[in-house]
Amino acid sequence: QKEVEQNSGPLSVPEGAIASLNCTYSDRGSQSFFWYRQYSGKSPELIMSIYSNGDKEDGRFTAQLNKASQYVSLLIRDSQPSDSATYLCAVNGPGNQFYFGTGTSLTVIP
Amino acid sequence: DAGVIQSPRHEVTEMGQEVTLRCKPISGHNSLFWYRQTMMRGLELLIYFNNNVPIDDSGMPEDRFSAKMPNASFSTLKIQPSEPRDSAVYFCASNTDANQPQHFGDGTRLSIL
Repeated sequence: QKEVEQNSGPLSVPEGAIASLNCTYSDRGSQSFFWYRQYSGKSPELIMSIYSNGDKEDGRFTAQLNKASQYVSLLIRDSQPSDSATYLCAVNGPGNQFYFGTGTSLTVIP
Repeated sequence: DAGVIQSPRHEVTEMGQEVTLRCKPISGHNSLFWYRQTMMRGLELLIYFNNNVPIDDSGMPEDRFSAKMPNASFSTLKIQPSEPRDSAVYFCASNTDANQPQHFGDGTRLSIL
């Protein structure tokens, strides 16, 4: 079992819709959770951090964390074509290691 | 503030040659990470340093790979001799502590012919 699992997609949503990206993790001791966006040919860019159970909102992005279920998700409201990218879920592990998922490819169709 | 700086951005070289990738972390960040990304394997952690000391190098593929961090503002990843299967994008990232996000450099796209 991988430390972090994501549905690789591809996920396609129409412009203006809500995109829902999901991630599960295996280490119950993890305390820090991150979502990164990676455009093709570019480096991963941090878009959200979440540390407590519940929802955290930042503009059109909402991160949701459920530690009991070992589940973290990212909702993108009013999806735009510029949101088309691969989204990586990252979870902290032992020491200062991060475990990264393999990413979910999102395409927003105009 | 300057982000993580990597050089070169692109490197094309022939099999058997030595390759050196360089990274300057964000000032004040005391942890530095080297990753390799390919389509097949995704983002793989190769090695990470804390306060210039290598902590975990279990991801280094084999003895052809070595990494150093002589001071807080500079690290190198060296491949000698290089092989075509080493072709990938290599990222460097840094952060302040275990609960803080890692910030990535622009990466080095390495092609071994």
